[in-house]
Amino acid sequence: GNSVTQMEGPVTLSEEAFLTINCTYTATGYPSLFWYVQYPGEGLQLLLKATKADDKGSNKGFEATYRKETTSFHLEKGSVQVSDSAVYFCALIPIGGYQKVTFGTGTKLQVIP
Amino acid sequence: DAGVIQSPRHEVTEMGQEVTLRCKPISGHDYLFWYRQTMMRGLELLIYFNNNVPIDDSGMPEDRFSAKMPNASFSTLKIQPSEPRDSAVYFCASSSNLGRGGEYTEAFFGQGTRLTVV
Repeated sequence: GNSVTQMEGPVTLSEEAFLTINCTYTATGYPSLFWYVQYPGEGLQLLLKATKADDKGSNKGFEATYRKETTSFHLEKGSVQVSDSAVYFCALIPIGGYQKVTFGTGTKLQVIP
Repeated sequence: DAGVIQSPRHEVTEMGQEVTLRCKPISGHDYLFWYRQTMMRGLELLIYFNNNVPIDDSGMPEDRFSAKMPNASFSTLKIQPSEPRDSAVYFCASSSNLGRGGEYTEAFFGQGTRLTVV
């Protein structure tokens, strides 16, 4: 079946540090890949997405590149801010068939001033 | 569009009582998902619908849980009887299958219902 594996958190960084949150997936074919963010007390919001191999999704300074050869979609940001503190979820939607969203377990990021 | 709308935002109930959570998906979306989020288990998919038909309910924890989608604009998740271990945040999400060889929209989430069973 389809699955998403994320690095375990929490991740604690100082402001302006470089962020990487690893995500690898298992799926048939070329799924669409997503990063969602959940701020405290809120629902999940789409952060960025990529729908085919070598695509790069980007938003709010975050980036992730769809790597088919390594089945990865790592999230990066060059300089984190305190306001980036949240839980980040990697997710996939398989191609074809029913559009079931598969989420990773989430990685909590805490940015300290 | 107002997005996915869930009600109530907070619910506190006594053990044994029936609880009904409600969701209005984004107009035109043909997929609807119910998730439960807890500290221990993270985000769990309970059930999802396609065109109002339940497709996969394997995540529903027990017979005490049931979900319906009587029409394209409304869904309910019911717990009867409720137990303290059902305390969690329940999210509803909707999405659309564009069906053009892989270009799918993302799932849009509601704000969630925080359920506390005492």
